[in-house]
Amino acid sequence: DTEVTQTPKHLVMGMTNKKSLKCEQHMGHRAMYWYKQKAKKPPELMFVYSYEKLSINESVPSRFSPECPNSSLLNLHLHALQPEDSALYLCASSTRTGENYGYTFGSGTRLTVV
Amino acid sequence: RKEVEQDPGPFNVPEGATVAFNCTYSNSASQSFFWYRQDCRKEPKLLMSVYSSGNEDGRFTAQLNRASQYISLLIRDSKLSDSATYLCVVNPGTNDYKLSFGAGTTVTVRA
Repeated sequence: DTEVTQTPKHLVMGMTNKKSLKCEQHMGHRAMYWYKQKAKKPPELMFVYSYEKLSINESVPSRFSPECPNSSLLNLHLHALQPEDSALYLCASSTRTGENYGYTFGSGTRLTVV
Repeated sequence: RKEVEQDPGPFNVPEGATVAFNCTYSNSASQSFFWYRQDCRKEPKLLMSVYSSGNEDGRFTAQLNRASQYISLLIRDSKLSDSATYLCVVNPGTNDYKLSFGAGTTVTVRA
């Protein structure tokens, strides 16, 4: 079982809809991430939150809006998406302990924009 | 030049065989190195971190060559369940939170 929980697992939305993706972790990790992954491609970083503050925005279009309500939760609000935004959206978390640390990924939300 | 490059494969090997593949990275200041495994339509899962002295976890051995800027993964006694895409992930040292992902190496183990 993954320790990073993402909901929903699947989402189909129209281009005029507003929806939100949710991510939760209870590992005490203070960094949380949103990644987008297209088929047969590596994950692409979208946002990083460090200690509940937005640390990195990889020039993501404003139709994607992240939110970190507390240290355990991360949301991604979606509005007016395009079909090319269809992808697997992965949440991850990490903690910095020593020089080696890795991410723990959630199982992802498979998003289809119609 | 990409920060992390991998041979995409696929590597098709019979059960019980040994398979090995490399990943090169461009930033000599890179600090941390990882191998992740990703099954089809699933999330990436950390397979192992790669340490300077090399490390082993069961049938998996990872090596780091800083002089030539590559890491390797060797899988011994391949199992059908080892079939997956293996992602090379590097902390390039520019930002502690930002990791660079290779495009992945696909391994298929056949019966």
